[in-house]
Order: sequence, then structure tokens, then C-alpha cells
Amino acid sequence: NAGVTQTPKFQVLKTGQSMTLQCAQDMNHEYMSWYRQDPGMGLRLIHYSVGAGITDQGEVPNGYNVSRSTTEDFPLRLLSAAPSQTSVYFCASSYGGTHQETQYFGPGTRLLVL
Amino acid sequence: GNSVTQMEGPVTLSEEAFLTINCTYTATGYPSLFWYVQYPGEGLQLLLKATKADDKGSNKGFEATYRKETTSFHLEKGSVQVSDSAVYFCALSDKGTYKYIFGTGTRLKVLA
Repeated sequence: NAGVTQTPKFQVLKTGQSMTLQCAQDMNHEYMSWYRQDPGMGLRLIHYSVGAGITDQGEVPNGYNVSRSTTEDFPLRLLSAAPSQTSVYFCASSYGGTHQETQYFGPGTRLLVL
Repeated sequence: GNSVTQMEGPVTLSEEAFLTINCTYTATGYPSLFWYVQYPGEGLQLLLKATKADDKGSNKGFEATYRKETTSFHLEKGSVQVSDSAVYFCALSDKGTYKYIFGTGTRLKVLA
């Protein structure tokens, strides 16, 4: 199993550009989520999904879109990049959405918006 | 709302020293509690967890006990190694939600 994979590893964007961060998992996990990691702020939840076709907002959803057409994939779209979106982005998955589940994280995508 | 507070870092220790990283939480109900570790350049991985009061999670010599009366889940290790240098995150997941809440992370540096 590859686990949770993310692409790209690093990206530089100009303000106003759009892009999609890819996330895939091969563990047949129902629950997937996107976080951003900023210095001194820990991880903050952007969007999450409890299964194919179902998504919901997390703590910091503005400026981001998601969709979940398959169990395996959960892409994160930046509609019009802003410098405030410079961050490290992590995708995570778990077998179910119960409060006892362990989350498995991808290696991260480092995004710089100029 | 739910929240997690953990001690500021960085924490710098000599090899074989005793480690404590404090974590306290605020939550409605009875959350599950987790410690995740992030090594340089990598994603987070589960270190240990506890799902009910008085449970002790343990892994790789690290331990943490779910203390409901003090709303705490402090991470301890009796003898740290250089390879333990990483960032440690305390987190909770509340029953009935699909959301994790993470602390801000504590960077640990262990010197040989």
C-alpha cells in the first residue's frame, strides 16, 4: 500500500492563479480531510469528506473548494490564490469518521503564493 | 468550543533525559485524545491514543494517560534519544463529530 499520496510536493503560484492539490489513498478509507499547517497555529481543518459525494467545511474553508467523486481521491482547489494561502497542506484519511479513529497523513504540499 | 493547549517549545534536552510535554483540552462530552509526531519533512503519524478516561496510551517508550478530572493528556518518556527530535502534536476528536482539533505543536530537540 502506498498509503496517502499528495502531489505536488512543492508549488509556487502568483496571486490570482488557480491550482489543484491532489490527494489519493489506497486504503479504502471513507473519511478524508485537508489541513493547513502554519507556524504557531498547528493544523487547521479546511474541508473534510465522510464518503464519496459528501463534503463539508472545516475551520478555514474560505478560498478553497473540494469534491469527492471517488473513495480514493479528494482534490483541493484554490480558486484564486492569495499570499495568505502560503502554507503547508496535508491530506489525511481514516477508515471511518468516528472519534476513535486514527488519521493517516500524506507527506504534504508546500505552497508559496507570491 | 473544543480546544487543545500544549506547552510552547522548543524543548531542548540531553540524550537520556526525562521528557514531559503538557497538553490540556476543553471539550464537551468525552473526546478521544491523540499524540501525533512529525519528523522533519514528513507528514504526521500517530504516536499513541486513548479513547476513554483513565486509559493509558503507549508506544516506543512514550506514554500518556487520559485524565478527565484535570482534562489533561501529558506526554512522557523516561529516556529520550536523538532520534526523538521532532514536533509533537496533541489532538482531540469529539464524539459525534468528524473533526479533529490539534494543538499548536511542541518542537523537541535532543542533543547527543
